[in-house]
Amino acid sequence: GNSVTQMEGPVTLSEEAFLTINCTYTATGYPSLFWYVQYPGEGLQLLLKATKADDKGSNKGFEATYRKETTSFHLEKGSVQVSDSAVYFCALGRSGGGADGLTFGKGTHLIIQP
Amino acid sequence: GAVVSQHPSWVICKSGTSVKIECRSLDFQATTMFWYRQFPKQSLMLMATSNEGSKATYEQGVEKDKFLINHASLTLSTLTVTSAHPEDSSFYICSARDPRLYGYTFGSGTRLTVV
Repeated sequence: GNSVTQMEGPVTLSEEAFLTINCTYTATGYPSLFWYVQYPGEGLQLLLKATKADDKGSNKGFEATYRKETTSFHLEKGSVQVSDSAVYFCALGRSGGGADGLTFGKGTHLIIQP
Repeated sequence: GAVVSQHPSWVICKSGTSVKIECRSLDFQATTMFWYRQFPKQSLMLMATSNEGSKATYEQGVEKDKFLINHASLTLSTLTVTSAHPEDSSFYICSARDPRLYGYTFGSGTRLTVV
């Protein structure tokens, strides 16, 4: 079956540091890949997505590239801010049409210190 | 756009009672909605897919008689936890896909505590 593995936290960085959160997946077919962010006390928000191999999703300085050869979708940001502190979830969609629910990784708690 | 409202945000109930959670798409129609459960410091686990006008599709291991799902209109799905027990205490989150976008919008979640 489909599965998502992401690095477990907490990950603690200083402000302006470079961020990488690893995410790898196992899936049949050609899933879509997502990163969601959950700020304290809030629901999940879509951060970025990629629907096919070699696509790069980007938003708010975050980027992730859909790498089919390594089955990965690592999240990166060049310079993190305190406001980026949150839990980040990598997820895959089980079909391209979006008719199925998402399979989530366990989430990575990111803490940015001033 | 693509707003999903979930209500209530938290609820406390006694063992043996039933609790209903509502999920509404506010600015779009959703023929399909999804219900997830999130345990503390854990990932979201898909419980079921709610289909407007037809029966929900449950994931393996989810008791359909305990978690009743009704999707009577294109903007509303409800999850009823029947005869709740303390082990049902969890964070329940609904989601819907806006056909105008490619992505899933999530509600803010419902914290259920069964005492």
